[in-house]
Amino acid sequence: DADVTQTPRNRITKTGKRIMLECSQTKGHDRMYWYRQDPGLGLRLIYYSFDVKDINKGEISDGYSVSRQAQAKFSLSLESAIPNQTALYFCATRQGFGNEQFFGPGTRLTVL
Amino acid sequence: SQQGEEDPQALSIQEGENATMNCSYKTSINNLQWYRQNSGRGLVHLILIRSNEREKHSGRLRVTLDTSKKSSSLLITASRAADTASYFCATRTLNRDDKIIFGKGTRLHILP
Repeated sequence: DADVTQTPRNRITKTGKRIMLECSQTKGHDRMYWYRQDPGLGLRLIYYSFDVKDINKGEISDGYSVSRQAQAKFSLSLESAIPNQTALYFCATRQGFGNEQFFGPGTRLTVL
Repeated sequence: SQQGEEDPQALSIQEGENATMNCSYKTSINNLQWYRQNSGRGLVHLILIRSNEREKHSGRLRVTLDTSKKSSSLLITASRAADTASYFCATRTLNRDDKIIFGKGTRLHILP
């Protein structure tokens, strides 16, 4: 089984809908991250969490919220989806400072 | 804002040739990491080089780091079709926030 899983893998929704993307990990890592990837822009950090009680905004947090329900679970919500949030979303985990990140397979979100 | 910038944006070479990708960054770093992404998939960590290291090897990969020029290079020797992917550099800055900031990537295409 994959160490970092994301659900759903693909989602098509309409403008104004609330969407939740979920991430689970079995690696036991303390840090979890949400990124979005747009063509030609690389990965941009949305939110990150060092533990259940420590949530931090990234570069592009506007329009998004997160919840760290447990050490192993980190969900990303779009309260009212808009078309420019159409992107590929990745969850990642890391243990400790500065080490490598482990990525999930991604969620392709399309907002019509 | 992006910390790392890869160069070139796209690269096509014949199978068996060496591929070199470069990364420049702006602020002082703790370490620099290279990741590979196959089309539409999650990123996979390749190699990490710390700020006090100048060169590192892993199999067919060779990474160099020049902190005075704020640049790094990734060399893939004897390229294979399976090396076709996008390659990203990512930097961990000296800030306490422990964010890893990704560049926009180099798309490498290995021609048969």
